[in-house]
Amino acid sequence: KNEVEQSPQNLTAQEGEFITINCSYSVGISALHWLQQHPGGGIVSLFMLSSGKKKHGRLIATINIQEKHSSLHITASHPRDSAVYICAVTGNQFYFGTGTSLTVIP
Amino acid sequence: EPEVTQTPSHQVTQMGQEVILRCVPISNHLYFYWYRQILGQKVEFLVSFYNNEISEKSEIFDDQFSVERPDGSNFTLKIRSTKLEDSAMYFCASSRQGPPNTGELFFGEGSRLTVL
Repeated sequence: KNEVEQSPQNLTAQEGEFITINCSYSVGISALHWLQQHPGGGIVSLFMLSSGKKKHGRLIATINIQEKHSSLHITASHPRDSAVYICAVTGNQFYFGTGTSLTVIP
Repeated sequence: EPEVTQTPSHQVTQMGQEVILRCVPISNHLYFYWYRQILGQKVEFLVSFYNNEISEKSEIFDDQFSVERPDGSNFTLKIRSTKLEDSAMYFCASSRQGPPNTGELFFGEGSRLTVL
């Protein structure tokens, strides 16, 4: 069973497009993390959310605790945004989504 | 900017051998974690560690695995007798706050383990 589901699994966009990646979870959580995994494998934390919305540059993350759903938005996408975006939830343990592979074409 | 460092970046070992993966967390962080990612699969939680003891572990973290903080800086993952299915990228992470209200996670670059 997957405690965290992400959609879409793969996404190709033209440079400049607005992108949305979705995450739904089925367990009780204290926080949700959006992570970015580069082609070389390294992982960087983008956001940690427990409620509401956060913005950092062109990235926006929202969470709806009642609906157990979060979205990651990228405005004015750029080829350097190409990466795998992973949703992870934390309570006492960690559960990871399978990731969304994003390719932004110039 | 402070970072989590991991060594080695890649290790190749024979099945049945012991492997130790090393991590240096960010110095003022108190919570440490190991995750693994089998090639082509999702990241999986292995263990969290706080105050010199395991605070949570997953089903994957069986008796073959152990963690230790042997000194004030290193955090190690030992696999006692490696199996082929232990081949994966192993990520260390640290955070200031821990479960259940885990703060921002800082990941190392990963250690790729190949078991032959």
